[in-house]
Amino acid sequence: DGGITQSPKYLFRKEGQNVTLSCEQNLNHDAMYWYRQDPGQGLRLIYYSQIVNDFQKGDIAEGYSVSREKKESFPLTVTSAQKNPTAFYLCASTRSRGGNQPQHFGDGTRLSIL
Amino acid sequence: QKEVEQDPGPLSVPEGAIVSLNCTYSNSAFQYFMWYRQYSRKGPELLMYTYSSGNKEDGRFTAQVDKSSKYISLFIRDSQPSDSATYLCAMSQIIQGAQKLVFGQGTRLTINP
Repeated sequence: DGGITQSPKYLFRKEGQNVTLSCEQNLNHDAMYWYRQDPGQGLRLIYYSQIVNDFQKGDIAEGYSVSREKKESFPLTVTSAQKNPTAFYLCASTRSRGGNQPQHFGDGTRLSIL
Repeated sequence: QKEVEQDPGPLSVPEGAIVSLNCTYSNSAFQYFMWYRQYSRKGPELLMYTYSSGNKEDGRFTAQVDKSSKYISLFIRDSQPSDSATYLCAMSQIIQGAQKLVFGQGTRLTINP
């Protein structure tokens, strides 16, 4: 079955530690996105990538970094500079870059502070 | 003022009722409108999407867009306990060649058997 796989499902971070969240898709989609969801809030865009080896900052990129070395993979690193990292992180993809089209989501990673 | 406003609820209705979920928006540049359903601890699942004003129906679900009033709705007929979830509206525009979505904060819906 095609889809977006996020791992791990739950992740705990210690103070001063960087952690990396995995997002893999086998849909052959060009564009991928990372969102953060806080309780009672809508999703907010962290980073997006429309093509391999290229990515752009979203609305809340500070304290995060990404890479896009392969079409199917778009990992997100939450760095120690992100002072409030506790949230539900969602990865999404679209078939092509540009244009209005549905975004499809993975099942998320819940990150908490130890 | 937020670009997209959605009543967070919670909304609780009896099984079989018609449910109306609504979002308003302020940005005329939004061109594409979506509704997602999100179960607890899961990612959002796309329910419906539409470009144009008017109604779009899919089974028990109807999406309605009124661009002149900047208002979108999702109607659920014959609601079932399995419809209990958080419903998110999302609106899209193209900025510098890239799609940008803005989400409502979600409405938590409970269908009581």
